[in-house]
Amino acid sequence: GAVVSQHPSRVICKSGTSVKIECRSLDFQATTMFWYRQFPKQSLMLMATSNEGSKATYEQGVEKDKFLINHASLTLSTLTVTSAHPEDSSFYICSAASNSYGYTFGSGTRLTVV
Amino acid sequence: SQQGEEDPQALSIQEGENATMNCSYKTSINNLQWYRQNSGRGLVHLILIRSNEREKHSGRLRVTLDTSKKSSSLLITASRAADTASYFCATDSSGGYQKVTFGIGTKLQVIP
Repeated sequence: GAVVSQHPSRVICKSGTSVKIECRSLDFQATTMFWYRQFPKQSLMLMATSNEGSKATYEQGVEKDKFLINHASLTLSTLTVTSAHPEDSSFYICSAASNSYGYTFGSGTRLTVV
Repeated sequence: SQQGEEDPQALSIQEGENATMNCSYKTSINNLQWYRQNSGRGLVHLILIRSNEREKHSGRLRVTLDTSKKSSSLLITASRAADTASYFCATDSSGGYQKVTFGIGTKLQVIP
């Protein structure tokens, strides 16, 4: 089946620094990728939708200048958390959509900002 | 905003019993999917049911969909301790690959 590789799985960073999370579809091309965040004991909240080669569409309340999304190719999307603060600590999950496999989720990234 | 709402939010059962979780949603959908998530981990896709389907089976899983009531149920039969996890329903709207919206989830605990 389809696999989406998400890295890193865990990252600890200092407040004020930036962190990049990669989401890569293996062996298939993803027409659209989605980024979610999940706070402890809560559901997944959609942050943004990105299509290859175009600007991401952000959900209401999500700061596009803080959460930079780049979808440079049909197999790679990145989420950069800029100037991270402790309140950005969360679990971030990407999902890749394709005609062949539907929606495939990455294994998530646990971000801790200290 | 989250469309799906699962109930119960927490469920505790003995191993061997069946577990039933329900999900309601608000707008028209293309597909409804159920996922499980072990604590602190990624999502595992369990089953997808299309809007024109009413019931689907996969191993010990049985999913029903009632589009008139905008609801779905997930039944896990003969539960095992390893089924302990959070279960989410997720919907995507009609028309192409729209965003998938998750419910708040049901936390299932299966006691050995």
